[in-house]
Amino acid sequence: AQKITQTQPGMFVQEKEAVTLDCTYDTSDQSYGLFWYKQPSSGEMIFLIYQGSYDEQNATEGRYSLNFQKARKSANLVISASQLGDSAMYFCAMREGLSNTGKLIFGQGTTLQVKP
Amino acid sequence: DTGVSQNPRHKITKRGQNVTFRCDPISEHNRLYWYRQTLGQGPEFLTYFQNEAQLEKSRLLSDRFSAERPKGSFSTLEIQRTEQGDSAMYLCASSFYDRGLHEQYFGPGTRLTVT
Repeated sequence: AQKITQTQPGMFVQEKEAVTLDCTYDTSDQSYGLFWYKQPSSGEMIFLIYQGSYDEQNATEGRYSLNFQKARKSANLVISASQLGDSAMYFCAMREGLSNTGKLIFGQGTTLQVKP
Repeated sequence: DTGVSQNPRHKITKRGQNVTFRCDPISEHNRLYWYRQTLGQGPEFLTYFQNEAQLEKSRLLSDRFSAERPKGSFSTLEIQRTEQGDSAMYLCASSFYDRGLHEQYFGPGTRLTVT
């Protein structure tokens, strides 16, 4: 069965510093996609970054980068130069590639608090 | 605003009542997904549509739940005879599907409280 594991329930980071949020996944599929979403207290899930299983380079989107280590089945999110507005819940998610449903399987999330 | 919208944002209802939520996806998106999120957990898939066809339903979706997307645009999720265990955030997401899958964009959610 496919599964996403986020082992850090909560993280603190000082403003302007970098932080890494951990995500490991389990799948027997060769084709899959990995996502990170941000959920502020307002509730909306905001798409941050995507990594395909066949992508050879790590994905980057502005201050966000995804450290993809396929052999270790990890897809950690790195946020550089943290800002107060980064305080939120962060979810790692996986989309199975073979069925084409597109449904996402989410981890339990990590709460990030940025300190001034 | 061209994002995904959901109404109402909050709903408080008494156990046993029926409730209906609405989701308006991004206009050019042909896929629409419903997820449920309980406190402290990640969202869980409920069902999805491609255009007006409901293509998959999770086992989480009991007989009391029904979803429609009659014209392939907006969707409704109805819960009949609500139970306290139905209290959760109900999230809608949309995406565009052609020969490949694209990222899903989520709405702000409807928070349901069953008293």
